Amino acid sequence: SQTIHQWPATLVQPVGSPLSLECTVEGTSNPNLYWYRQAAGRGLQLLFYSVGIGQISSEVPQNLSASRPQDRQFILSSKKLLLSDSGFYLCAWSLGAGEDTQYFGPGTRLTVL
Amino acid sequence: GNSVTQMEGPVTLSEEAFLTINCTYTATGYPSLFWYVQYPGEGLQLLLKATKADDKGSNKGFEATYRKETTSFHLEKGSVQVSDSAVYFCALSDKGGIRGGSNYKLTFGKGTLLTVNP
Repeated sequence: SQTIHQWPATLVQPVGSPLSLECTVEGTSNPNLYWYRQAAGRGLQLLFYSVGIGQISSEVPQNLSASRPQDRQFILSSKKLLLSDSGFYLCAWSLGAGEDTQYFGPGTRLTVL
Repeated sequence: GNSVTQMEGPVTLSEEAFLTINCTYTATGYPSLFWYVQYPGEGLQLLLKATKADDKGSNKGFEATYRKETTSFHLEKGSVQVSDSAVYFCALSDKGGIRGGSNYKLTFGKGTLLTVNP
């Protein structure tokens, strides 16, 4: 069966520091991968998605970036964090080839101080 | 563009009460519709799904029917439990992406917080 992991689970970072969040999927090949942000008391905002290694699509302009160095690894990064980057970051995967159901990881709680 | 509108919460019920969370959508074409549940501090879990008009998705006592004529996908449960306390998200799928529509994006509602008291 497929599983999705995210780490770290929680992170507290100062403004201006770099960020790296990691997501890995097990038990499937060539998944579509997604990064979402959930601000406190609000819905989900799609940040990035990827249909293959090195293929990243950005949904909103911001100081975050994403990379997919391996088939089942998706990384969210920032060079300098802002206060507004605080939130709950969720990674998700779906099968390719027309399957639209997404499965979510446990999330990373990021607090920028 | 596509959108999903959910009833605003919070919704507070007593155990064994009947639950309805309304969801309506706007979309081009015939999207799939989903309900996801998020327990405190956790990620989202798929609760149920329907892919075409008049389909009924069901899981763990929850049900929702894809109503194309009213563009709705209301979530119902006949008897809620304390353990059902969570945030519920309605969502629809949308084709898009890099490779000729093989990638789907989900559009989410803002979520409805349900609290069930014993």
